[in-house]
Amino acid sequence: NAGVTQTPKFQVLKTGQSMTLQCAQDMNHNSMYWYRQDPGMGLRLIYYSASEGTTDKGEVPNGYNVSRLNKREFSLRLESAAPSQTSVYFCASSEDWTGLDGYTFGSGTRLTVV
Amino acid sequence: AQSVTQLDSQVPVFEEAPVELRCNYSSSVSVYLFWYVQYPNQGLQLLLKYLSGSTLVKGINGFEAEFNKSQTSFHLRKPSVHISDTAEYFCALRGAGSYQLTFGKGTKLSVIP
Repeated sequence: NAGVTQTPKFQVLKTGQSMTLQCAQDMNHNSMYWYRQDPGMGLRLIYYSASEGTTDKGEVPNGYNVSRLNKREFSLRLESAAPSQTSVYFCASSEDWTGLDGYTFGSGTRLTVV
Repeated sequence: AQSVTQLDSQVPVFEEAPVELRCNYSSSVSVYLFWYVQYPNQGLQLLLKYLSGSTLVKGINGFEAEFNKSQTSFHLRKPSVHISDTAEYFCALRGAGSYQLTFGKGTKLSVIP
């Protein structure tokens, strides 16, 4: 029972490079989320997808784009990476948009931009 | 607007002692409250949640939390901690009708042998 799978686990980018973080869930959840975690800042929502075919901005969307490829997959793209995007990125999913059953999180992607 | 404040960034406690991790919130609508735990180098896991009904909610690993509407608090407690409880704990809030789960900044619990 994999839950939420994120790839890669670690990545080092040079400033200006682009990359896509992948996320897939196997729980048939409708809603998916991307968060970033920075020391002392907690988790901040970047983008979310309440259901397949929809995406919306969260608290800190600048510099990111997302794609809800299908019900299972939700990717996060950095078009031109900046040092300020050094962070740990978490993907999460929930059964529906209310999230009242709780979120299931992946194990994270640790990204360093130099 | 909604916000979550975790009053302590770090809490050291001796093994087998009780612990309370404090969480206060602000919201203009009714709220749903959660506590998540993050063990080192892992994602977050749901500990417990308050949706409605009894204000005392019990979760996994012996943790419990009490919703206090008048004090806008949702403090997490455990009567006797173990070394394995060493982790970071996050309080989170979802306002009624909102798509977003707002997290506090986290409290690092260190259990001392």
